[in-house]
Amino acid sequence: EVQLVESGGGLLQPGRSLRLSCAASGFTFDNYAMHWVRQAPGKGLEWVSGISWNSGDIGYADSVKGRFTISRDNAKNSLYLQMNSLRAEDTALYYCAKDGAILEWLSNSGFDYWGQGTLVTVSS
Amino acid sequence: DIQMTQSPSSLSASIGDRVTITCRASQSITGYLNWFQQKPGKAPKLLIYAASSLQSGVPSRFSGSGSGTDFTLTISSLHPEDFATYYCQQSYSTPYTFGQGTKLEI
Repeated sequence: EVQLVESGGGLLQPGRSLRLSCAASGFTFDNYAMHWVRQAPGKGLEWVSGISWNSGDIGYADSVKGRFTISRDNAKNSLYLQMNSLRAEDTALYYCAKDGAILEWLSNSGFDYWGQGTLVTVSS
Repeated sequence: DIQMTQSPSSLSASIGDRVTITCRASQSITGYLNWFQQKPGKAPKLLIYAASSLQSGVPSRFSGSGSGTDFTLTISSLHPEDFATYYCQQSYSTPYTFGQGTKLEI
């Protein structure tokens, strides 16, 4: 059974940093691109960042470029999101999601599994 | 960046109705279009990928069509569990972008 479990969320002040983690199990982690998607309270979905199976391709939303860094450790079946210079508008539930295509970047297979999310609240 | 525009933003329908949601991309994305369903307090669920391919386990009353810039999600006969918010998403280029969502209400 595929499982994605996010952790690391919390309440913090603007300008601070936070690292989110996503522990994956139930599939061959190093065969798939992975993504972070966020949802502000009462709002829609926003793709934040994605990383290819071998970390060779990475993408970011314009809203986080230069502040957030995605990474993965295939030996630990884990995905990370380092979030620096946090702003109030980064307040959201952050989901980890698995790409549906094996060994592909910019696939046409959708995000077939999602975690339950970890909440990040940025407020003074 | 590619902008995704869904219509309508909200929709009222009844059990058994046929419903269509549209999604338009600001430039051609060929068939790189996915549809997700989200219920309150839950993670999104993939329904359709590659514009018209039904994700495993998704009921056949859901279907997708389109290519280029214009896409549709159709539910042929609404069931009670279909009342949710639906999002389209392009995976043609980064940054991947979602539509603003369509809330389907009774």
